[in-house]
Amino acid sequence: AQSVAQPEDQVNVAEGNPLTVKCTYSVSGNPYLFWYVQYPNRGLQFLLKYITGDNLVKGSYGFEAEFNKSQTSFHLKKPSALVSDSALYFCAVSALGGSARQLTFGSGTQLTVLP
Amino acid sequence: DTEVTQTPKHLVMGMTNKKSLKCEQHMGHRAMYWYKQKAKKPPELMFVYSYEKLSINESVPSRFSPECPNSSLLNLHLHALQPEDSALYLCASSPLAGGSGELFFGEGSRLTVL
Repeated sequence: AQSVAQPEDQVNVAEGNPLTVKCTYSVSGNPYLFWYVQYPNRGLQFLLKYITGDNLVKGSYGFEAEFNKSQTSFHLKKPSALVSDSALYFCAVSALGGSARQLTFGSGTQLTVLP
Repeated sequence: DTEVTQTPKHLVMGMTNKKSLKCEQHMGHRAMYWYKQKAKKPPELMFVYSYEKLSINESVPSRFSPECPNSSLLNLHLHALQPEDSALYLCASSPLAGGSGELFFGEGSRLTVL
């Protein structure tokens, strides 16, 4: 079985400050890891993914994520937060990567960037 | 802008009504999905179609009936729903061969059951 934990329901950060949204995972085998963002009354938008290769993955809107195999973590980061980054963020993991029926979402983290 | 289009964006229906949600994608993806999402919660998988055939049904009540008429279209037929079925229904698609599990979501259809 695979699982994803997002330990923080809510993260608040001041505009211009760096932000981190935490994610840890549990999966058998090599993980395929994803971050999605959801703005109010919208669908989920893909931000970035880790399949293999460099542990630092760069994605859309200036976001990046660091894969840490020893800590089984895949934290989402951005050097300078914008008010427009305020949204609901989901981490997800897939064990095999080729079949979305095995895509498991975390519980979500509400990010609020304060002006 | 999303390349997965869902209609209608909003739907209000009574418990005795029959309605349908529609989803369309033109990315050539051969896997399509229906998810249900309650407010501030992660999406819950309902159905998966692979090559227009139903491959996954996550024990969804029969009042939800999916249909995949062709490789670009996915429908969700609704009948005799309950108020607790009110939610955001998300359609998604992905490639099968060579895919890495990344899903492309539509904007969703917000359903209210009275």
